Amino acid sequence: EAGVVQSPRYKIIEKKQPVAFWCNPISGHNTLYWYLQNLGQGPELLIRYENEEAVDDSQLPKDRFSAERLKGVDSTLKIQPAELGDSAVYLCASSPGGTMNTEAFFGQGTRLTVV
Amino acid sequence: GQQLNQSPQSMFIQEGEDVSMNCTSSSIFNTWLWYKQDPGEGPVLLIALYKAGELTSNGRLTAQFGITRKDSFLNISASIPSDVGIYFCAGPGEYGNKLVFGAGTILRVKS
Repeated sequence: EAGVVQSPRYKIIEKKQPVAFWCNPISGHNTLYWYLQNLGQGPELLIRYENEEAVDDSQLPKDRFSAERLKGVDSTLKIQPAELGDSAVYLCASSPGGTMNTEAFFGQGTRLTVV
Repeated sequence: GQQLNQSPQSMFIQEGEDVSMNCTSSSIFNTWLWYKQDPGEGPVLLIALYKAGELTSNGRLTAQFGITRKDSFLNISASIPSDVGIYFCAGPGEYGNKLVFGAGTILRVKS
């Protein structure tokens, strides 16, 4: 079974430029998460989807960040415009749902560097 | 909000030694998860604990769900070089809708 797939693995952009990340969750997983991981810290939730609905986006900086999960499968996370402080690893994860919803499976992440 | 404190922050041990690390919470957790993250990779789930007092093993790894439900322990026996990485504890947030992570324990193994 394929795991969570993210692309790109690495991205370097200049500040004020837009950037987008893509995630394909594990097949059949209804719940999808985007996490932010700063250096030396654990992941922190940005947004959670149940199917195509964003059910928790309280930690998403909505002035510059946006996300979508069309058709309840793949998801994209966008930053526009990027700031220097956005440099971090962006992790996508998915869960089966139901009583197993606590166990999240992560992708390899996208390492963003804003210069 | 809920916070998870991991200790130690880092460890540098000799190959073959046993390792112990723990995680404490400011509030009760109903689930404890232990993840390992290798450099440049996403976290990988090692062990999941669902019941207070539960002791679960996965190869050389053993984790326990503390009876107070505010702590958990991870032990690695006979460490090997590939155990190197960052170990995170995690548990469901207040409403069970997200994972809250500790800051991680960095493990280095000297061969």
